[in-house]
Amino acid sequence: DAGITQSPRHKVTETGTPVTLRCHQTENHRYMYWYRQDPGHGLRLIHYSYGVKDTDKGEVSDGYSVSRSKTEDFLLTLESATSSQTSVYFCAISGDRGSYNEQFFGPGTRLTVL
Amino acid sequence: GNSVTQMEGPVTLSEEAFLTINCTYTATGYPSLFWYVQYPGEGLQLLLKATKADDKGSNKGFEATYRKETTSFHLEKGSVQVSDSAVYFCALPYSGAGSYQLTFGKGTKLSVIP
Repeated sequence: DAGITQSPRHKVTETGTPVTLRCHQTENHRYMYWYRQDPGHGLRLIHYSYGVKDTDKGEVSDGYSVSRSKTEDFLLTLESATSSQTSVYFCAISGDRGSYNEQFFGPGTRLTVL
Repeated sequence: GNSVTQMEGPVTLSEEAFLTINCTYTATGYPSLFWYVQYPGEGLQLLLKATKADDKGSNKGFEATYRKETTSFHLEKGSVQVSDSAVYFCALPYSGAGSYQLTFGKGTKLSVIP
């Protein structure tokens, strides 16, 4: 299995609170992605990174920001959490092993915003 | 960008039954196609892939053939087991052969009963 960890695995927070989710990889893969998974919507891309300090928006980026200061870490920040951001968040990586399209996923973070 | 449509579930089958999950796509060119599987409480795992037309991807008894004539990549298994109970996602690159973002179908939940 690809070495991808996410922290925390579960979090409950209140509306208006800032939240940061961390994705850490030990595979030295170039590309990293943040998705959210919601019933009826499948997986939707929030942001992705194609290198250190290189990031771009995905399909549902409003209300989220990301940072990547080193290859192994990709942080997702909710500046002011809202109830609509209650979801399961997955990090994924790709590159350097297999095809760049082939993504490997972390175990997910379940976030509840009250 | 490219898009994928897969049959909605849930699908409930008895053990040893034949499985088909339909997936059709709209794409520029001939991108790689993927099936991912998500077991309860886990992240997605790559199940199989096909990189060009007429390719057949296979893994764990599952198969899917890349058919450009019908723009389809249906997932099949001849005899399902209880352990195959999971959510299955069809995916392809978001846009163009060189794009590394993936777009996913909404997922098909499979339940296999003894």
